Amino acid sequence: NAGVTQTPKFQVLKTGQSMTLQCAQDMNHEYMSWYRQDPGMGLRLIHYSVGAGITDQGEVPNGYNVSRSTTEDFPLRLLSAAPSQTSVYFCATRRDYGYTFGSGTRLTVV
Amino acid sequence: ELRVEQNPLFLSMQEGKNYTIYCNYSTTSDRLYWYRQDPGKSLESLFVLLSNGAVKQEGRLMASLDTKARLSTLHITAAVHDLSATYFCAVDGAGGGADGLTFGKGTHLIIQP
Repeated sequence: NAGVTQTPKFQVLKTGQSMTLQCAQDMNHEYMSWYRQDPGMGLRLIHYSVGAGITDQGEVPNGYNVSRSTTEDFPLRLLSAAPSQTSVYFCATRRDYGYTFGSGTRLTVV
Repeated sequence: ELRVEQNPLFLSMQEGKNYTIYCNYSTTSDRLYWYRQDPGKSLESLFVLLSNGAVKQEGRLMASLDTKARLSTLHITAAVHDLSATYFCAVDGAGGGADGLTFGKGTHLIIQP
């Protein structure tokens, strides 16, 4: 039982490159979400999904796309990376009132 | 605008002392969460407070919730070095009505011998 698995753990991108951050869960939770964490800040919600085929925007969605084709996976896509997207990204699931966070992806855009 | 404010943001204290971290929030949410984060690590859930007057304790940490005052506290009793970490509070509800958490900026806690 792996819980919430994020890959990769570290990534360096050049400005303008695209990439996908992966998030997979084996807990059969309907709700999944993406947050970013910047130094000295709490986490901020990027996008979320309440089930397969359903996604919605969070507080800071610009520059990010998501899709949810299965219950298990919720990938986050950066279409054209910018230095302002340098951050640590966390995926989280939720069941009832409990959130489970992945180990994070540290992304640097140069 | 939904706001979650923690104070202090930085706290250095000695082992054996008691202290309280405060979390004020602007929403009417009745659900409040406390998390611990060690450097370079993910968030570890400490407490989920689901109703007014809720109090939960785990070891040297105790959390409480006053929904009328929109205030939660995290009390540390007889601090030990292992409790050094960053502590976040979060409430259900995000900007624009989004379904997720709004976090405070975190309290960076250093406990010195």
